[in-house]
Amino acid sequence: EAGVAQSPRYKIIEKRQSVAFWCNPISGHATLYWYQQILGQGPKLLIQFQNNGVVDDSQLPKDRFSAERLKGVDSTLKIQPAKLEDSAVYLCASSLNGGNEQFFGPGTRLTVL
Amino acid sequence: AQKITQTQPGMFVQEKEAVTLDCTYDTSDPSYGLFWYKQPSSGEMIFLIYQGSYDQQNATEGRYSLNFQKARKSANLVISASQLGDSAMYFCAMRDLNYGQNFVFGPGTRLSVLP
Repeated sequence: EAGVAQSPRYKIIEKRQSVAFWCNPISGHATLYWYQQILGQGPKLLIQFQNNGVVDDSQLPKDRFSAERLKGVDSTLKIQPAKLEDSAVYLCASSLNGGNEQFFGPGTRLTVL
Repeated sequence: AQKITQTQPGMFVQEKEAVTLDCTYDTSDPSYGLFWYKQPSSGEMIFLIYQGSYDQQNATEGRYSLNFQKARKSANLVISASQLGDSAMYFCAMRDLNYGQNFVFGPGTRLSVLP
């Protein structure tokens, strides 16, 4: 069974630029999560999708972050414009209908200069 | 609001010995789940073990066991017979099952296994 795929693995941008990350969950997993993990901290949930609907985006900075999962499969997280404090690893995870076991992708490490 | 505390930023253990990683939590939801994840230097989060708040017995998965003390609101991870490959960051996490399905993670503990 293929795991959660994310791309790119690394991205370096300058502040005020925009960036997008892509995630493809495990086949058949209805629930998809995006997390932000700042260096030295635990992951923080940004947004949770159930199929193509948003379940929780209470911690998503909506003035600059957006995410979509249009067909209920893969998802894109965008930051526009980026700030220095957005430097972090962005982790995507999926689970079978919101089940307890989440499967994580390898993450995208973003550096904002 | 949910909160996870991990008071040990770093821990050392000798290979083949057992180690306990501490985790305390706070929630007002009587129904919740507790999780431990391992994050090696490669960055990927690996699920280790789960304990439900109403589970009568402590969870075990191979060399991992969860010492669940509900009254103390603690969910410590015990790793028996440590191996060099156990060196990683370990995160305790929880989700409230009634009030929402958010996962909240602690700050993590870095475990180093010494040969």
